[in-house]
Amino acid sequence: EPEVTQTPSHQVTQMGQEVILRCVPISNHLYFYWYRQILGQKVEFLVSFYNNEISEKSEIFDDQFSVERPDGSNFTLKIRSTKLEDSAMYFCASSPLAANTGELFFGEGSRLTVL
Amino acid sequence: KQEVTQIPAALSVPEGENLVLNCSFTDSAIYNLQWFRQDPGKGLTSLLLIQSSQREQTSGRLNASLDKSSGRSTLYIAASQPGDSATYLCAVKAGANSKLTFGKGITLSVRP
Repeated sequence: EPEVTQTPSHQVTQMGQEVILRCVPISNHLYFYWYRQILGQKVEFLVSFYNNEISEKSEIFDDQFSVERPDGSNFTLKIRSTKLEDSAMYFCASSPLAANTGELFFGEGSRLTVL
Repeated sequence: KQEVTQIPAALSVPEGENLVLNCSFTDSAIYNLQWFRQDPGKGLTSLLLIQSSQREQTSGRLNASLDKSSGRSTLYIAASQPGDSATYLCAVKAGANSKLTFGKGITLSVRP
């Protein structure tokens, strides 16, 4: 069964460093999302992406964050200068457009630890 | 602003019990509602998706119902097993491709 894959599964970085989290969405999906979950808290929406541009973003998604679809398969989230409070599990999700039920399919997540 | 609430935060039941997990949301203008399972430190596994026009969906021992007008959904788990122990998350969507708004989840423990 097709699935969303994310790399790395865990990354440890120093405060102020740049981090890139990678996702390979399901191949025929057209909407892509990033969410995050700080330990013990709700899963929070960061950004959605369609047709090579951001379609919606939350107030969390400030200038330190960016997303890109560099080729036909990868979808990346970049954090330019990490802060301690960026430590969280980051989830990528994708959704088909045709015959759209609006169902989201999530990856296993990338755990980011900022020291 | 949509708010999703799941109470209680944690639940412990003996194996074999039938149980109901509740979810409420403040804005009834939803497109769909999705229930997820999350094991500790893991990703989100979609369990059931209910469209706004539907009343319920079933998959195996799971049944999810939706009462959009009252802003409520329930996830019914029949004959619970220790393997059902996990956190169950409810999430709603305002439009076909809009964001999901999540509840905090209910952590279920099924005792052998």
